[in-house]
Amino acid sequence: GAGVSQSPRYKVAKRGQDVALRCDPISGHVSLFWYQQALGQGPEFLTYFQNEAQLDKSGLPSDRFFAERPEGSVSTLKIQRTQQEDSAVYLCASRLEPIKETQYFGPGTRLLVL
Amino acid sequence: KQEVTQIPAALSVPEGENLVLNCSFTDSAIYNLQWFRQDPGKGLTSLLLIQSSQREQTSGRLNASLDKSSGRSTLYIAASQPGDSATYLCAGRLTPSGSEKLVFGKGTKLTVNP
Repeated sequence: GAGVSQSPRYKVAKRGQDVALRCDPISGHVSLFWYQQALGQGPEFLTYFQNEAQLDKSGLPSDRFFAERPEGSVSTLKIQRTQQEDSAVYLCASRLEPIKETQYFGPGTRLLVL
Repeated sequence: KQEVTQIPAALSVPEGENLVLNCSFTDSAIYNLQWFRQDPGKGLTSLLLIQSSQREQTSGRLNASLDKSSGRSTLYIAASQPGDSATYLCAGRLTPSGSEKLVFGKGTKLTVNP
């Protein structure tokens, strides 16, 4: 079946704009993760959902970052009042269920804040 | 705080060579360790996952080992091919009572020259 998809693939925003990044996980996958990957770095954890419940948001860098997954499938990562330091690739991953460890990653959304 | 380090940061080898990528982690209370491959502009592809109770996993030309006591994992690639050129990332997950998140290293950029 289809893998994890993310949209848009590229986003250019002016500093201070709000942006919304979408993740469509693999159908039936219970767990969903968001990661932020700066240039030349490994991905860093942002937040984790199990179905619609956000169980861990310890990686969100500020209260300008907000994630939701209202129906337990599609998830949206919203960044308010974007700053230049928010420029990065935002990766989404899904996992079938908590006991299945392999995470399947989407292609990412590359965000550039000018 | 779990930290993951990968050495070397970049590696260039001729086709056909066997090679080893290294990953070290600071917290021996690791639940599992995964190796991923990342191609430019794309998401991560899971290669191998080693549970803490295992010492190694194999898939085709790839072999990954885990030594919790020394805080190290290695990824061995046999008979390297130009198609193996990519960035290789290792990521650890702490004990299940902790967060579900993966902690990534910065990666090793591998170039296999024909």
